[in-house]
Amino acid sequence: DIQMTQSPASLSASLGETVTIECLASEDIYSNLAWYQQKPGKSPQLLIYYANSLNDGVPSRFSGSGSGTQYSLKINSLQSEDVSIYFCQQNYDSPPTFGSGTKLEIK
Amino acid sequence: QVQLTESGPGLVHPSETLSLTCTVSGFSLTGYSVYWVRQPSGKGLEWMGRMRYNGDTSYNSALKSRLSISRDTSKNQVFLKMNSLQTDDTGTYYCTREGITTDVMDAWGQGASVTVSS
Repeated sequence: DIQMTQSPASLSASLGETVTIECLASEDIYSNLAWYQQKPGKSPQLLIYYANSLNDGVPSRFSGSGSGTQYSLKINSLQSEDVSIYFCQQNYDSPPTFGSGTKLEIK
Repeated sequence: QVQLTESGPGLVHPSETLSLTCTVSGFSLTGYSVYWVRQPSGKGLEWMGRMRYNGDTSYNSALKSRLSISRDTSKNQVFLKMNSLQTDDTGTYYCTREGITTDVMDAWGQGASVTVSS
């Protein structure tokens, strides 16, 4: 199975700041990478697919980038509603596998 | 609109079988694949298996010997059965839809909380 290593495990930032979350795949996943946001007590929701495509309705302050084995999620102008756990997931090979998550809090 | 709703028992005894139902609306099971994903309390996400739009199934090899996924398209339902449950199977179980253009999980149910305890 492809291993997804996500960092950092937790992150604290101020409102209006820009934050970046990283995801490293154990092999090339050819941009088959998604990012999900899980708000407290809720189910995960799709933010980004194919590494950099924004899902419908997702604010433009979210962006994804990367290629090969290295990917990142950037959140500009951090808002209070962005407090969540963020997961990356590869869908290049079966089984789909997830990163361990990054918990984002507001300072 | 697209909706997935999981249902099933909240409590299962060790060594017993878990049965969950995912009822979908707003899309057809013959046009979209449905996945099952679970999340142990306070932990990460694990893909369990998939019911493809054409009726084929695939499973996580770590669970394959215990897991079965089936469907009833006339009722818009996908079923999960997993036997020999243990305490580390406790968590939230989600059904999700695979998007046609995204190829990833573009819609999720609210989740079914399952506790394995005697």
